[in-house]
Amino acid sequence: EVQLVETGGGLVQPGRSLKLSCVASGFTFSSYWMYWIRQAPGKGLEWVSSINTDGGSTYYPDSVKGRFTISRDNAENTVYLQMNSLRSEDTATYYCAKDREGEGYFDYWGQGVMVTVSS
Amino acid sequence: DIQMTQSPASLSASLGETVTIECLASEDIYSNLAWYQQKPGKSPQLLIYYANSLNDGVPSRFSGSGSGTQYSLKINSLQSEDVSIYFCQQNYDSPWTFGGGTKLELK
Repeated sequence: EVQLVETGGGLVQPGRSLKLSCVASGFTFSSYWMYWIRQAPGKGLEWVSSINTDGGSTYYPDSVKGRFTISRDNAENTVYLQMNSLRSEDTATYYCAKDREGEGYFDYWGQGVMVTVSS
Repeated sequence: DIQMTQSPASLSASLGETVTIECLASEDIYSNLAWYQQKPGKSPQLLIYYANSLNDGVPSRFSGSGSGTQYSLKINSLQSEDVSIYFCQQNYDSPWTFGGGTKLELK
């Protein structure tokens, strides 16, 4: 059974940093692209970052580029999201997701972790 | 960025009814479209990919269609467990973008 478990969320002041982790199980982690997607309270979904199988290629939308960094440790079956210079508009539930077959479809999602940016 | 516009924003239907949700892309996305279902308080789940391919384990009452800029999700014989928010997503061009969602409720 595929499982994705995110940790690391919480309340953080604007301008500070936070690092999210997502531990994967139930599939060959090193064979799949992984993603972070967020959902502001009561709002829609926003793709936040992507990482390829070996971690050598990463992608971000303009809204987080230069502030967020995705990385992975295939030995630990874990994907990370380092979030710096946090803003109030980064407040959201952050989901870790697995790619279906390398196409950019998200076939498994974690339960999500809440990040609140507020003073 | 490719804008994805869903309609309606909310929908009320009766058990057993057939419902259709639309998704309009701001440019041709060549069927690179997925539909997700998000039940209350839960994470999204992939229903449909490549516009019309049913994901494993998804009931056959769900179907997707469309091409170019216009796509739709059809739910036949609505069940109580289908009460959810439905999102479309394009993966034709980065940044991948989602529609605003359609909230489906029971009448």
